[in-house]
Amino acid sequence: QVQLQESGPGLVKPSETLSLTCTVSGSSISSTYYWGWMRQPPGKGLEWIGSIYHSGHTYYNPSLRSRVIITVDTSKNQFSLKLSSVTAADTAIYYCASEFRDNGYPLDYWGQGTRVTVSS
Amino acid sequence: DIQMTQSPSSLPASVGDRITITCRASQTIGNFLNWYQQKPGKAPKLLIYGASTLQSGVPSRFSGSGSGTDFTLTVNSLQPEDFAIYYCQQSYNIPRTFGQGTRVDVK
Repeated sequence: QVQLQESGPGLVKPSETLSLTCTVSGSSISSTYYWGWMRQPPGKGLEWIGSIYHSGHTYYNPSLRSRVIITVDTSKNQFSLKLSSVTAADTAIYYCASEFRDNGYPLDYWGQGTRVTVSS
Repeated sequence: DIQMTQSPSSLPASVGDRITITCRASQTIGNFLNWYQQKPGKAPKLLIYGASTLQSGVPSRFSGSGSGTDFTLTVNSLQPEDFAIYYCQQSYNIPRTFGQGTRVDVK
């Protein structure tokens, strides 16, 4: 069974860059999955940020594209999110998840989520 | 972006009820429709993918149907552990988008 675990700072200052890492276990990151990031502001719904394949091919949400970079490190079985120029509107729980390509890209396994607050 | 609209937004129900949640896409998405359940403080959990395929380990009281633009999630004989928020999501194109959620709570 695939397991994912997010890690990174829980507090980021406005205008700085949010950096999170997702560590994958139970599956090679080079398998037939895309690996994605989602977020959920407090009390609100879910937003898809973007995803990456082990080849490095990425898809981003156009609403965040100018500020987002997702990378993959196959040697560590990890993928990472960087979101630049953050504001209070970026305060959210950030989730990493697997998108199973062969089943039409459902988000079948999720990390537990990590809360990120943007505040000075 | 494809807009996903769920109804109702809130659904009061009782244990044993049969409930139905609908999800409408702003354009056709084939059967690239997934349903998730989220409980307080937890990550979403995949229930159904491809509009109607039950994810492994999900009880058979959950079912999904539809194609194109209109989809439904049905829960037969609601159990206490089913009170949660349910989201639909399209994986037809980029960006992936979610419905706003349906909160199923105690009547």
